[in-house]
This record gives sequence, structure tokens and C-alpha cells, in this order.
Amino acid sequence: QKEVEQNSGPLSVPEGAIASLNCTYSDRGSQSFFWYRQYSGKSPELIMFIYSNGDKEDGRFTAQLNKASQYVSLLIRDSQPSDSATYLCAVNQNTGFQKLVFGTGTRLLVSP
Amino acid sequence: DAGVIQSPRHEVTEMGQEVTLRCKPISGHNSLFWYRQTMMRGLELLIYFNNNVPIDDSGMPEDRFSAKMPNASFSTLKIQPSEPRDSAVYFCASSRGSALNSPLHFGNGTRLTVT
Repeated sequence: QKEVEQNSGPLSVPEGAIASLNCTYSDRGSQSFFWYRQYSGKSPELIMFIYSNGDKEDGRFTAQLNKASQYVSLLIRDSQPSDSATYLCAVNQNTGFQKLVFGTGTRLLVSP
Repeated sequence: DAGVIQSPRHEVTEMGQEVTLRCKPISGHNSLFWYRQTMMRGLELLIYFNNNVPIDDSGMPEDRFSAKMPNASFSTLKIQPSEPRDSAVYFCASSRGSALNSPLHFGNGTRLTVT
């Protein structure tokens, strides 16, 4: 079992729809969770992070965390073609220092 | 803020040659990470420095890989000798502190091709 799993996609949604991206992780001791966006040929850039169970909203983005189910998700409301990218889930394992383990990413395609 | 600066952007070399990748972290950031990204394996952490000291190098694939951080503003990742399977994009990232929710800031990466 991979430490951080994501569906590779592509996930296709029409413009204006809600895109739902999911991630599961194996280490129950993981403490913080990050979502990064990566455009083709570019470096990952941080969208948001979450470390408490529940929802965290930032503009059109909502991160959801369920530690009991070892599940993290990212919702993108009012999806735009410019949101088309690969979304990487990263988990900070309970190692005493910052060690981010990344999933392989989900490719999102938003069609006009 | 200039961001994390990596050089070169692209490197093409022949198998057996030495390759050196360079990184300048964001000023004031005391944690530095080297990652490798491939289609098959995604982003893999190679090594992590905190205050210029290597903390975890368990991700370094083998002895052909070495990394140094002689001061707070410079790090190198060296591959000697290089092999075709080392072809990947190598990212350097830095963060302020080692807090578990400190975000990573990535450089633009070095695309390495070993023929």
C-alpha cells in the first residue's frame, strides 16, 4: 500500500462545477496535510493546509480532513479552466520533523 | 523575495558523468529539502537539512548521490556517476522553521536527462 494515494485521473469537470479531489494516507500518526497545485512543467505551489478534523475554507477552495478514515479531500467551487492542473496531496508523517510524503497527484481538467 | 533559486534549469549529460545541481533557499528559511519527481514515482524526498545539518537522508537512492549545505544560503546535490535512470526533475524546497505546518516553497526545478 502506498503511503499517500490519489486517483491519477484525469478528473474532467465543466466550468462552474465543483471539483472534488480525494486522498487517503496510511500513517495514522500523520499530523498535517497539504494540497499543492502543479501546472505542467512548473513547480508545485501550496494551495492550503489542514491539521484539524473538519473543513477549512479559503476562497473557492475547501479542504476536508477525516483522521478516523485517514482521508483528505479538496473541493474547488466554481471551477475555472485555469484550475486545470495536477493536484498533489502531501502528508506530514509523525516523525518529529517536517517530512512531507506526496501522492502522485490527480490531474484535473476543467472544460469551458 | 526572489524565491528558491535552482540551477541549472536543464542538464543533459552522458552516463558516467558527474552532475551537480545547485540551490539557494529563501533568505531566512532554515529548512531545505531536495525532491526528485518522475511520472512513475511522483515526488520523492531525497534529503532534508535543518540549520545546514542533514537530518534525514534515507531517501537518497544510493551512494552515487550526495548532498551538502555548507551555509544557510547554498546547497548542492551531486550524482557521481550518473545513470539513465537518474533522469528526472529535481526540486529544491525551503521552509521557515521545522513546524509541522510550515509550507514548502519550491524552486523551478532542474530537469536532468542522462543519456
